[in-house]
Amino acid sequence: GAVVSQHPSRVICKSGTSVKIECRSLDFQATTMFWYRQFPKKSLMLMATSNEGSKATYEQGVEKDKFLINHASLTLSTLTVTSAHPEDSSFYICSAEIAGETQYFGPGTRLLVL
Amino acid sequence: AQSVTQLDSQVPVFEEAPVELRCNYSSSVSVYLFWYVQYPNQGLQLLLKYLSGSTLVKGINGFEAEFNKSQTSFHLRKPSVHISDTAEYFCAVSASNAGNMLTFGGGTRLMVKP
Repeated sequence: GAVVSQHPSRVICKSGTSVKIECRSLDFQATTMFWYRQFPKKSLMLMATSNEGSKATYEQGVEKDKFLINHASLTLSTLTVTSAHPEDSSFYICSAEIAGETQYFGPGTRLLVL
Repeated sequence: AQSVTQLDSQVPVFEEAPVELRCNYSSSVSVYLFWYVQYPNQGLQLLLKYLSGSTLVKGINGFEAEFNKSQTSFHLRKPSVHISDTAEYFCAVSASNAGNMLTFGGGTRLMVKP
């Protein structure tokens, strides 16, 4: 089956620093990748949708200058949390879509901002 | 726009008992339906999906779900649960005419007791 990886799986950083999270489709090319945020004991909230080579589409209420998304290739998308603050602490999950098929989810990245 | 309601936030059940996790949706267009499972500190794993055809869908780990268009439901069932089924379960929908953008329900925590 289609495999999606995320790196790092867990990161702790100081307030004010930037953190980059990578999402890779390992055995397929993903036309579209999605970034979700999940708060403890809550559902997934879509943050943005990214297509290779074009600007990401952000959901309402998500700051695009805060959460920078780059989809440089058909197998890699990155989410950079800029100037992270404790309220940005969360579980970030990416998914990758093969055109016309289901989304395949990564294992998630736990971000803790001190 | 679509919305998904998972009526039960938690479902406790004894091992080897049957279980049903409820999911209702609303949409003005036809939809695709999904169930995902999330184990602690992990991403989402697809259990099953309904795209078209038979309304009874069989998935992995012995789970099945039935699409009921008149009741706008897609309940998940398993005839005999195991301790290892303890996890968070998410129902999701996507509009059949809008790519694979998913809308998630709030999740149901299945707690299997020995």
